[in-house]
Amino acid sequence: GAGVSQSPSNKVTEKGKDVELRCDPISGHTALYWYRQSLGQGLEFLIYFQGNSAPDKSGLPSDRFSAERTGGSVSTLTIQRTQQEDSAVYLCASSLVSNVDEQYFGPGTRLTVT
Amino acid sequence: GENVEQHPSTLSVQEGDSAVIKCTYSDSASNYFPWYKQELGKRPQLIIDIRSNVGEKKDQRIAVTLNKTAKHFSLHITETQPEDSAVYFCAAPWGLLTGGGNKLTFGTGTQLKVEL
Repeated sequence: GAGVSQSPSNKVTEKGKDVELRCDPISGHTALYWYRQSLGQGLEFLIYFQGNSAPDKSGLPSDRFSAERTGGSVSTLTIQRTQQEDSAVYLCASSLVSNVDEQYFGPGTRLTVT
Repeated sequence: GENVEQHPSTLSVQEGDSAVIKCTYSDSASNYFPWYKQELGKRPQLIIDIRSNVGEKKDQRIAVTLNKTAKHFSLHITETQPEDSAVYFCAAPWGLLTGGGNKLTFGTGTQLKVEL
């Protein structure tokens, strides 16, 4: 079947604007994760979902970041009032049940805030 | 939370040589240790993982060893080839006993370059 998909693949936005990033996980995967990867850096955990619930939002950098997941499937990461330091690749991953199952990553959304 | 340290940050080897990347973790309850490979501009992909009930796992030229007492695990690539050039990330879960999390903490990555 299809892998994890993300849209858009690239997003350029002006500082202060809001952006929405979308993730479509693998069908049947109950766990969904958002990560941020700055240029040449590692993977910074942002938030994960178990079904539609987000038990742990501790990785979100500020209250400008929020995420939701509906129907146990698609997830949206929203960044309000974007800042230049938000520029990064935002990666989504899904796994069958939990973090001890293989995480399948999407291609990422490259966000550039000008 | 889990603290995962990864070394070295860069590694250059000659084609055909072996490469070893090491990681340490802090959460003694961690029981799953995956390794991901990320080629330039591409998504991370799992290459091998190990669970805490075994000390070593091998898949062709790739092997992972785990020492739970010392809380470290290593990736071994033998007979390296140019296509092995990429960034490799280790990871470990944390919060398994406290129920406080269901996420992986990733190491900072190792840039492996295999030279002809």
